[in-house]
Amino acid sequence: DAGVIQSPRHEVTEMGQEVTLRCKPISGHDYLFWYRQTMMRGLELLIYFNNNVPIDDSGMPEDRFSAKMPNASFSTLKIQPSEPRDSAVYFCASRGQYGYTFGSGTRLTVV
Amino acid sequence: GQQLNQSPQSMFIQEGEDVSMNCTSSSIFNTWLWYKQDPGEGPVLLIALYKAGELTSNGRLTAQFGITRKDSFLNISASIPSDVGIYFCAGQYGQNFVFGPGTRLSVLP
Repeated sequence: DAGVIQSPRHEVTEMGQEVTLRCKPISGHDYLFWYRQTMMRGLELLIYFNNNVPIDDSGMPEDRFSAKMPNASFSTLKIQPSEPRDSAVYFCASRGQYGYTFGSGTRLTVV
Repeated sequence: GQQLNQSPQSMFIQEGEDVSMNCTSSSIFNTWLWYKQDPGEGPVLLIALYKAGELTSNGRLTAQFGITRKDSFLNISASIPSDVGIYFCAGQYGQNFVFGPGTRLSVLP
């Protein structure tokens, strides 16, 4: 198994632009989570899905953030418009029997 | 809400030394996980604990689920340079896990 796959690994964008982060979970995992990691706040849960359905999005910072999971093998996290304070590493994780498996993350820099 | 504290925040040790770090909470959790994060990578699961009092080893790593279910510790024996990284504990509530702020470990040759 290739694990949880995220793309891109790095993204640099200008303030105001739309950013789309992508995630392919491990096959057979029915939970998918989006986390944001910063030095100040650590790992923060943004949203999670169960069987492609969003269950809890209370961690999404504001309306500029949206996430979708159109099928069991793909999810996106979109930021529109992006702001410098959105700069962080965004992790996707899928959940199996023994806890989460994380992707390698997308490092987003908004300038 | 649920919150985890980890101590120490960071530590510098000499290669070959043993390491001990812990994770505490005011809330009770049913599952504790320990993760390690290498620079530029996502956290990787080291050990999972499912029962109060449980003691589990994974190579040089040993973790215990506290009796009160409000704490857990992780020990690393005979540290080596590749042990460098950030160690996170995570406690399960419902379908989610809450993560501690991490312990940053540096190993000096």
